Amino acid sequence: QKEVEQNSGPLSVPEGAIASLNCTYSDRGSQSFFWYRQYSGKSPELIMSIYSNGDKEDGRFTAQLNKASQYVSLLIRDSQPSDSATYLCAVPRGAGNNRKLIWGLGTSLAVNP
Amino acid sequence: EAGVTQFPSHSVIEKGQTVTLRCDPISGHDNLYWYRRVMGKEIKFLLHFVKESKQDESGMPNNRFLAERTGGTYSTLKVQPAELEDSGVYFCASSQLAGYGNEQFFGPGTRLTVL
Repeated sequence: QKEVEQNSGPLSVPEGAIASLNCTYSDRGSQSFFWYRQYSGKSPELIMSIYSNGDKEDGRFTAQLNKASQYVSLLIRDSQPSDSATYLCAVPRGAGNNRKLIWGLGTSLAVNP
Repeated sequence: EAGVTQFPSHSVIEKGQTVTLRCDPISGHDNLYWYRRVMGKEIKFLLHFVKESKQDESGMPNNRFLAERTGGTYSTLKVQPAELEDSGVYFCASSQLAGYGNEQFFGPGTRLTVL
């Protein structure tokens, strides 16, 4: 079992729709979770972080965390063509001052005009 | 504020040759990370520097890879001799702190192709 799992997609949604991206993780002790966005040929860019169960909203983005189910999701409301990218789920692993990121494969999102 | 920079952006070398990748972190960031993405696979951690010291090098594939961070500023990652399976995109990231919740800022990556 992979430590962090995502459906690779591609996920295709029409402009204006809600895009739902999912991620599961294996380590029950995980405390924080990150969503990165990566445009083709560019660097990963952090768009959301979440630490507590429930929802966290930032503009059109909502991260949802359910630690009991070991599940974290990212919702993108009013999807725009500019949201077309690969979305990567990352979970820090380590202790003290050592926090390496463990990554999912990423989900490719295509928003169609 | 300048972001993380990496050089070169692309490198094509033949099997058996040597390549050195460079990463300049954001000024003032003590933590520097190297990651690699092989085509079709997840991004994988390689190693973590705190200033000039290697905090964790558990992800380094083998002894053909040598990372340095002299003076705690920029870092280099040397592959010698390169093998076909070393092809991929090498990302560098830096962060100010390393505890939970501290954002790692990524460079644009170096795409390495070994022929």
